[in-house]
Amino acid sequence: EDQVTQSPEALRLQEGESSSLNCSYTVSGLRGLFWYRQDPGKGPEFLFTLYSAGEEKEKERLKATLTKKESFLHITAPKPEDSATYLCAVREAGNTGKLIFGQGTTLQVKP
Amino acid sequence: DGGITQSPKYLFRKEGQNVTLSCEQNLNHDAMYWYRQDPGQGLRLIYYSQIVNDFQKGDIAEGYSVSREKKESFPLTVTSAQKNPTAFYLCASSIAGNSLYGYTFGSGTRLTVV
Repeated sequence: EDQVTQSPEALRLQEGESSSLNCSYTVSGLRGLFWYRQDPGKGPEFLFTLYSAGEEKEKERLKATLTKKESFLHITAPKPEDSATYLCAVREAGNTGKLIFGQGTTLQVKP
Repeated sequence: DGGITQSPKYLFRKEGQNVTLSCEQNLNHDAMYWYRQDPGQGLRLIYYSQIVNDFQKGDIAEGYSVSREKKESFPLTVTSAQKNPTAFYLCASSIAGNSLYGYTFGSGTRLTVV
């Protein structure tokens, strides 16, 4: 069964303190790993898609990487506006296009 | 601008009442999805539709119903059979197949039982 597990559940950082979020996955044939950002009371916003091991994507202070078993979202010198819940998802095998989501990591960056 | 519109933003349901959540998209996407989000849990799939007049049950379909009469619209009805409907409901859409961007999400509807 396809599965996605994110850790930690919650992370508190001081402004400027770099860290990483983890997304471990089990899927029969990866057809895309997706990172989203979700602010309280809002829908998730797309950040990155990764397809193959070794792939990296960057956007401002965020960098996503992918191995055969997990993905990391690295946050460099975070700012308070980076505070949000970060969701990881993998596309299910087959042609449904369905995404399977992890529980999310809630990040709080204190000034 | 293209996007997905969910309405209402907040919805209150009385015991034994059916309520319908609206989801409309103007992205010309073929596939549409309904997810439920509870605190501390990931998004759980309720129903999805890949083409008009066709839809499939997701992992937690009991107590819910949907229709897909138009490509742009995918309303979700929460029936009285759903015993614990209080949650945040998210509608999403995607280009059918291997879209590089996964889903585009709406802004959500928060449903509360009163």
